[in-house]
Amino acid sequence: DGGITQSPKYLFRKEGQNVTLSCEQNLNHDAMYWYRQDPGQGLRLIYYSQIVNDFQKGDIAEGYSVSREKKESFPLTVTSAQKNPTAFYLCASSHWTSGRAGYNEQFFGPGTRLTVL
Amino acid sequence: GENVEQHPSTLSVQEGDSAVIKCTYSDSASNYFPWYKQELGKRPQLIIDIRSNVGEKKDQRIAVTLNKTAKHFSLHITETQPEDSAVYFCAASSGNTGTASKLTFGTGTRLQVTL
Repeated sequence: DGGITQSPKYLFRKEGQNVTLSCEQNLNHDAMYWYRQDPGQGLRLIYYSQIVNDFQKGDIAEGYSVSREKKESFPLTVTSAQKNPTAFYLCASSHWTSGRAGYNEQFFGPGTRLTVL
Repeated sequence: GENVEQHPSTLSVQEGDSAVIKCTYSDSASNYFPWYKQELGKRPQLIIDIRSNVGEKKDQRIAVTLNKTAKHFSLHITETQPEDSAVYFCAASSGNTGTASKLTFGTGTRLQVTL
């Protein structure tokens, strides 16, 4: 899992501002994911991407946006429309193999803790 | 969509005892069930997984059982040690062709192993 990096580790944002979280991987993984982690709620999927230039909404996509212009990068933008953005954000990646997509281990980055002031 | 419930939310055991964490899922199409361990301040890491074509899998002190009929699966840790203290998450995925590994996670179990 050392091949996934997230930056910054801590991020502070004022209300009404957009902010972008970085996620980079050098594992040559096709698929990448963004999760939000809140106390007592586990990990909830925000967006995921199977291949470059393609991504799908997860369970809690409202107020977030992503792009996948490069295989190695999957940045997440937390917009001002996200009503409660303070949380711990985790990026992950996995291989994608036709017919076995759901069986591939997801490797997580170290996370970014976002606090809205 | 899939819904995964996990119990208990906290679990305290004495060193050397066994610990069991249980999860249920709602989507009968789910066929892949990984377990992740997250130590304090660290990223989640896969510790064991099971696919629907088997009922049990074991790796040293860790085992996972799956009952597809009842739609529940469990993590068993034997001879617990202080380093087992962490938050454990179960997850489920349908693993459909053409989709990425869309995991649905449980809410986590905080395991505390006391001396």
